[in-house]
Amino acid sequence: GAGVSQSPRYKVAKRGQDVALRCDPISGHVSLFWYQQALGQGPEFLTYFQNEAQLDKSGLPSDRFFAERPEGSVSTLKIQRTQQEDSAVYLCASSWTTGRGTDTQYFGPGTRLTVL
Amino acid sequence: AQRVTQPEKLLSVFKGAPVELKCNYSYSGSPELFWYVQYSRQRLQLLLRHISRESIKGFTADLNKGETSFHLKKPFAQEEDSAMYYCALTLTGANSKLTFGKGITLSVRP
Repeated sequence: GAGVSQSPRYKVAKRGQDVALRCDPISGHVSLFWYQQALGQGPEFLTYFQNEAQLDKSGLPSDRFFAERPEGSVSTLKIQRTQQEDSAVYLCASSWTTGRGTDTQYFGPGTRLTVL
Repeated sequence: AQRVTQPEKLLSVFKGAPVELKCNYSYSGSPELFWYVQYSRQRLQLLLRHISRESIKGFTADLNKGETSFHLKKPFAQEEDSAMYYCALTLTGANSKLTFGKGITLSVRP
C-alpha cells in the first residue's frame, strides 16, 4: 500500500509569508509525528497526535508554529511569518497504535522549506 | 533530558571491510534504541531496534547499558550499505517520540 505522503515536496517562501505543509499518514495509523531536520542535523521532534488529539507539542519552537489533525487522518503544519531559521526539511511520520514506545514509525519523504 | 551522540560525521571504508558506527546515549531510565537509515533519494526507514535482537542486512547492534552505547556493526561492508545512518531513542511507555543523533555518512568504496 501507499506509504506516508507529504506535499509540497519543496516550498520556497519569502520571509514573513505563511506556509502550510500537508501530511497524509498511512491509512489507519493512529499516531502522527512531525519532525524538523535542519541541514547537517538529525530530525528533531516538533509535535505528536493520537488520532485528532494533539498530545505533545513541546517541540514546537515558537507560537508561529501550529499543527492540526482535525479528523484524525491528514495533518497540516502551519508556520506563520516565516523566518530564515525556519529553513529545514519537515518530516512527518505515522505509526499503528498509540505509540507506546515499540511501534515502528514510517516516515514520509519530507517537505524542504527554504525561506529567503 | 535524553540525548543521542554520534561522534563521527563520516566513515569511509573499502568493500569487504568491517564497519562500526558509534552511538552513545544519555538517559537515566530504560530507553528503546533504534538505528534508522536513509539511502540516497529515499526516505528515512527503520533498520533495526535493540528489543528485536535481529540482524538486518548483516547489521547488528548490541545495547550496552553500562557504557550507554548502541554501536552498529557489520563484518563485511557492501557498496549498497552507503547511506546516512541515524541512531535514535525513545522512552519506554511514553508517546514514542524519537530523539535522534546527528547522523553519520557511511561511504563504501569498491
